Amino acid sequence: QKEVEQNSGPLSVPEGAIASLNCTYSDRGSQSFFWYRQYSGKSPELIMSIYSNGDKEDGRFTAQLNKASQYVSLLIRDSQPSDSATYLCAVNLGSNYQLIWGAGTKLIIKP
Amino acid sequence: NAGVTQTPKFQVLKTGQSMTLQCAQDMNHNSMYWYRQDPGMGLRLIYYSASEGTTDKGEVPNGYNVSRLNKREFSLRLESAAPSQTSVYFCASSEFGADVTFFGQGTRLTVV
Repeated sequence: QKEVEQNSGPLSVPEGAIASLNCTYSDRGSQSFFWYRQYSGKSPELIMSIYSNGDKEDGRFTAQLNKASQYVSLLIRDSQPSDSATYLCAVNLGSNYQLIWGAGTKLIIKP
Repeated sequence: NAGVTQTPKFQVLKTGQSMTLQCAQDMNHNSMYWYRQDPGMGLRLIYYSASEGTTDKGEVPNGYNVSRLNKREFSLRLESAAPSQTSVYFCASSEFGADVTFFGQGTRLTVV
């Protein structure tokens, strides 16, 4: 079992709808969790970080963390075509220096 | 504020050739990383430098060497390139350790 798993997609969502992206991880004292967005041919850029159980909202984005169930999710409200990208989940699985990355979920927002 | 800058952006090498990828950050970050990204496999850590003066192997270090030249610069060297090293390489940095990480623009390397 991979340490950080994401559905590779593609996930197709109509414009204006809510996109829901999920990430599960193996539990080794996981402390910090990150969502990155990567456009085709570009580098990853941070969208959200979350460190404690519950929800964290930033504009149209909400990160949800459930440590008991070992998953972290990203909700994108009012999805726009510009949200079409690959979303990477990264987790600190107890290491001081290494993040573990999921393979990413490709999201397509259809106008 | 440039962030993380890596060069070159594109490179084609012949099998057996060597090259060095350069990376510099201007955010006064302590930790720096080299990743490779292959289709369907996500980001894999090659080497990292937790702080100036230290380097450690990541998940896929074979065929690579690194140098943390100073706090700003972290280079990646391929001594004898192989087709299996065809990939997109990203340099990254964080203030300290496995936390918010910033990426360079990437180097697309093809080994023929």
